[in-house]
Parts: sequence; C-alpha cells; structure tokens
Amino acid sequence: DIQMTQSPASLSASLGETVTIQCRASEDIYSGLAWYQQKPGKSPQLLIYGASSLQDGVPSRFSGSGSGTQYSLKISSMQTEDEGVYFCQQGLKYPRTFGGGTKLELK
Amino acid sequence: QVQLQQSGAELAKPGSSVKISCKASGYTFTSYYISWIKQTTGQGLEYIGYINTGSGGTNYNEKFKGKATLTVDKSSSTAFMQLSSLTPDDSAVYYCARRIFNYGSYYFDYWGQGVMVTVSS
Repeated sequence: DIQMTQSPASLSASLGETVTIQCRASEDIYSGLAWYQQKPGKSPQLLIYGASSLQDGVPSRFSGSGSGTQYSLKISSMQTEDEGVYFCQQGLKYPRTFGGGTKLELK
Repeated sequence: QVQLQQSGAELAKPGSSVKISCKASGYTFTSYYISWIKQTTGQGLEYIGYINTGSGGTNYNEKFKGKATLTVDKSSSTAFMQLSSLTPDDSAVYYCARRIFNYGSYYFDYWGQGVMVTVSS
C-alpha cells in the first residue's frame, strides 16, 4: 500500500497568516491527491482533488500544489473557521490511503 | 442537495455482527459508487472498500476481507455494510462516501455523518 506522511502533525496560526501543510507519498502518485478538512464531530469535507483542483464551494484561500511524491496545501489567510484537522489522500492506487492528519488551531 | 444519511450508533458485543446503512438522496444513486471508510483515533482513516451501486459488485481492501460485507438496495438508494466477528479493534466511526473519478484517480466528494460502533462486553 502507498504510505502517506503528513507534516506537521499540528500547528497554530494567527488570523490572516499563511499556512502550509505537507504530504509525502511513498511512491509517485502522479497528482492523484486530495485534501480534506474535518471539524470536531463532523465528517471530512473535500477541499482539493487532483492535487490542485478546488472543489465547488471551497473558498479560494485554499490551494493545492505538488507533483510526484510531494504535495502541499496552502491556506493564504487563516480564518477562524479554518480550524480543524486536514488529511491528504492518494487516489491513484488501490487501496486508497490517507495521511495521519494535521491539526490546525487558531493562535 | 446530495446527502448520505447513515444509521445510528451501535453498541455490540464481541463476536457479534452489526449492519449499518447509508441512504443516498439528491442524485442518481446508481451513477456513483459508494465507498466505506473507518476512522479511529489511533489508526486514522482506513479505506475499507467500495460497492458498485448499479451491479452490486464489490472490491475490498485486503485488510477488511472477511470483516466487512458490502451490499446495496437500489430500490431504496441505500448501501449497507455488515461487520462480522466483532472485536474491540472494530470500535470506530464508519463513514460511507460517494466516490468520484478524476484523471485516473478516485476521491470522495460527499460523506455520511458517520456511525460510531462500540464493541464491548
């Protein structure tokens, strides 16, 4: 199975700050990567798919980039509602696998 | 609007089985496969498998073969997952999710609210 490793495990950011979360795959996934946001007690919500495509309804301050084995999610201006846990997921090979999550808190 | 409504929390004894449901609405049920995902604090998110909602065909993560059985009732737009021979390690939140395809890869664009399964004697 493809292993997905996220970093950092947690971080805190101030309002308006730029936040970047990293995700590394154990092999090339050819941009087959998604990012999800999960708030406490809620199910994950798709933010980004195909490494850089923004899901409908997701604010434009979220963006994704990367290729090969290295990917990142950027929040250009941290907002209160961005607190939560972020997961990456590879969609290229079966079984689909997820990163361990990054907990983002407001400083 | 697209919704996946899952059944309620389950408390089960070791060795027993549970069957949880996922009722879809707001779209053509058979146009999308349904996947199932397990979430625990320790192991994070684990992919269980998917079901072809049109044909009923299934594919399982090797880790969950023999543990999970996926079925579908097209007449009610509902997918089901049965978990058998339960142990405390099966205690988790289980999600159903609608699968989408984009340029050779698969993602999950809508998720159910999750079902907490607790296995305890």
